[in-house]
Amino acid sequence: GQNIDQPTEMTATEGAIVQINCTYQTSGFNGLFWYQQHAGEAPTFLSYNVLDGLEEKGRFSSFLSRSKGYSYLLLKELQMKDSASYLCAVRDGGYQKVTFGTGTKLQVIP
Amino acid sequence: GAVVSQHPSRVICKSGTSVKIECRSLDFQATTMFWYRQFPKQSLMLMATSNEGSKATYEQGVEKDKFLINHASLTLSTLTVTSAHPEDSSFYICSAPGDSQETQYFGPGTRLLVL
Repeated sequence: GQNIDQPTEMTATEGAIVQINCTYQTSGFNGLFWYQQHAGEAPTFLSYNVLDGLEEKGRFSSFLSRSKGYSYLLLKELQMKDSASYLCAVRDGGYQKVTFGTGTKLQVIP
Repeated sequence: GAVVSQHPSRVICKSGTSVKIECRSLDFQATTMFWYRQFPKQSLMLMATSNEGSKATYEQGVEKDKFLINHASLTLSTLTVTSAHPEDSSFYICSAPGDSQETQYFGPGTRLLVL
């Protein structure tokens, strides 16, 4: 089965850095995604990791360790508009299906 | 870029009726589409994988007779919620994989309210 865990909620200050962790135990692995989702909207793609290491994309970076079943999303220079839910998702090894974690609701405060 | 649409965006129905939700890939072909359900303050839960020309694959705990999926063409998958009940009220989202490993196109979602 699939088990993907994230903290439920986090609060951070505008301009600061926040790290959102994701741990997973899945029957197969073919990549890990991070998505941002605002209430009532579909998720929007942030990053994709399939190999170990850090992927940097502007203010957002994502890290993966396959041996540890662990990933994190790093958000720098936080802005108020970054308040949203952040979803970690794992692609199954053979069927392309993407299973989502529990999601982390991030609140950015002034 | 590739776009996935859903129709309707919002629907209200009476308990016991059936509701059909359409998911279309607008400028690409999708042999596979995925249907998710999201309850308030929760994450997306995968319901089923829709396969063009064959039966859908349902996740554990999802009733295949209640959530009928049809993938009749390479650009259209439909989800029909049969005999809807208030507990079926949710946000339903479809997605389709793109042509690269990192690509997954999501529809805008359909909000269903069953009274």
